[in-house]
Amino acid sequence: GDSVTQMEGPVTLSEEAFLTINCTYTATGYPSLFWYVQYPGEGLQLLLKATKADDKGSNKGFEATYRKETTSFHLEKGSVQVSDSAVYFCALSDYNGGSQGNLIFGKGTKLSVKP
Amino acid sequence: SQTIHQWPATLVQPVGSPLSLECTVEGTSNPNLYWYRQAAGRGLQLLFYSVGIGQISSEVPQNLSASRPQDRQFILSSKKLLLSDSGFYLCAWSVRGRVSGNTIYFGEGSWLTVV
Repeated sequence: GDSVTQMEGPVTLSEEAFLTINCTYTATGYPSLFWYVQYPGEGLQLLLKATKADDKGSNKGFEATYRKETTSFHLEKGSVQVSDSAVYFCALSDYNGGSQGNLIFGKGTKLSVKP
Repeated sequence: SQTIHQWPATLVQPVGSPLSLECTVEGTSNPNLYWYRQAAGRGLQLLFYSVGIGQISSEVPQNLSASRPQDRQFILSSKKLLLSDSGFYLCAWSVRGRVSGNTIYFGEGSWLTVV
């Protein structure tokens, strides 16, 4: 069935460092890909998404490109801030595959940014 | 604009006691509704989803149940809680239908501790 694998955390960076959180997926159809962010004690918020190959999602300085050839959707940010400290979830939805449009999540990567 | 609310935000329940978590969505009609659970170190797991009143699909066997008595109301219940039911429960909604890139929007979450 469909699945999402993202890098294990926690990730600890200094402010203004470059961030990459790797995410790869397995899907039988043509999935849409998402990054959600969960700030401490809160629910999940959509950060960005991409619906087809080569699409780039971007928001708040974060970017991710849908790479069909490598089945990846890595999250990047050029200069992180302390306020970016949160748990980041990669997810897919695949109406033509096993997930029937529901979100399949990775296990999450905790990011801590130190001043 | 659409909003989603769930309550209570936090609860501590003894083993064997009943559970009722409620969720309502405003500003939209006929949404898909979801219950997810986030257990420590285990990522997000889809428990139930609903495409309409009285229509509930269960993703995993468990001692929890869900009901949708009204179009925009989704309830998560248990007759007898287990210690393993502890976790962070998230209600969510999306636009009805098979829409590519359909975003799922989450509520604030409910922390359940079973003691």
